[in-house]
Parts: sequence; structure tokens; C-alpha cells
Amino acid sequence: GEDVEQSLFLSVREGDSSVINCTYTDSSSTYLYWYKQEPGAGLQLLTYIFSNMDMKQDQRLTVLLNKKDKHLSLRIADTQTGDSAIYFCAEKGYSTLTFGKGTMLLVSP
Amino acid sequence: EAGVVQSPRYKIIEKKQPVAFWCNPISGHNTLYWYLQNLGQGPELLIRYENEEAVDDSQLPKDRFSAERLKGVDSTLKIQPAELGDSAVYLCASSQRTGGTDTQYFGPGTRLTVL
Repeated sequence: GEDVEQSLFLSVREGDSSVINCTYTDSSSTYLYWYKQEPGAGLQLLTYIFSNMDMKQDQRLTVLLNKKDKHLSLRIADTQTGDSAIYFCAEKGYSTLTFGKGTMLLVSP
Repeated sequence: EAGVVQSPRYKIIEKKQPVAFWCNPISGHNTLYWYLQNLGQGPELLIRYENEEAVDDSQLPKDRFSAERLKGVDSTLKIQPAELGDSAVYLCASSQRTGGTDTQYFGPGTRLTVL
């Protein structure tokens, strides 16, 4: 079955870059997603990448996909305190999303 | 454009009581999802609707959980009777296939506490 793994915690200083990593197992994944969840809120879509791409950039966000190694990363440039949240990686198989357990990003001033 | 709306935002009940959650998807979205999110975990799919048809309910515990989407728009998820282990956040999401993708957009969730 599908499985998505993420590191649980990342701490950075304001202004630094953050890199959140994710690995997945389903080689038939079509799209891979990054969602952000702030305390007490639902999941906010940040960005997604099609499985035949290897990079996508959207303002401060850069997504890198290594399909051979089934490795996905999200880089946040110039990280701000407002970026503190839990970040979920998700892969889309045939019809459903499978989520990782989330990476808690803590940004200190 | 309004996002996915869920109510109530919070619910506290005693075990063995019934509870219901309501979801209104983004206008025009044919697909609706209910997810369960336990503390420290990612969301897990309970049920997926295409219009009014439940096309994937394999993870829905049917002995106590039920869901409906009668007119293919709003949806209700019910638990009867609730158990202590049902304490979690219940998320609703919706999507509309455009091109090759059907990106899911989530509501704020309902946080259920069973005492």
C-alpha cells in the first residue's frame, strides 16, 4: 500500500531557508502536494507538482521531485515567523490522497 | 469565492451519544470527501462522494458511522453511538476535476471531544 514519510520537526531562524523532506512509496503517484496546517485550522493548499516534473517554483516556495528515489522536498526561502505550522506532504494515487504525519516547522525570531 | 464550510467547529459530547457534522463544499465541486485526523497524524479518508454517490467508503466504520449527500451538494457525517476513541478532528474537502488534476480544498474541520 501507499506510505508517505516525513521528518517530524524542523526548527529554523527567521530569514533562513527551510527544507522539508518527504518520501513516498507509490510509483504510480500522479500528483504530489504540500499542505500547511496552522493550529485549530484546516489544511491550506500550498502547491503541487505533477509527477513528470522535477521542479516547481512559486514565489518563496520551491518544490523538488526526485521520482527515481521517490523523494519530494519543499524549500521555503526567507522563512518568516508566520510560516510556523505543520506541513503535510501528500501523494495522489488513482483516486485518493495519502498524507504523511506532517512536519512541524518552528521559526524563531 | 467561499471556501469549504463546516459546522460546528467544536463539539463536546458524552460517550454513547450521537453527533452529526455538516459540510458545504465549494460551489461547483462535484467531489466531496470526509477525513479523520487524529492528533499528530495526517488526515485519513473516511468516505468520498462523486455527486450524491458514495464511491469509496471502504474506510468508514459502518457499524457506527454513516454519511449522506442527498442532493449532491451538502453532506452530513454522523456517529451513533460515539466512543472515546472517536475524539479527533473531522475534515471535509471538495474538488472539481480540471485538466488532469482534482486538487482538494479543505474546510476548517470539526474538533470532536468525547467524554
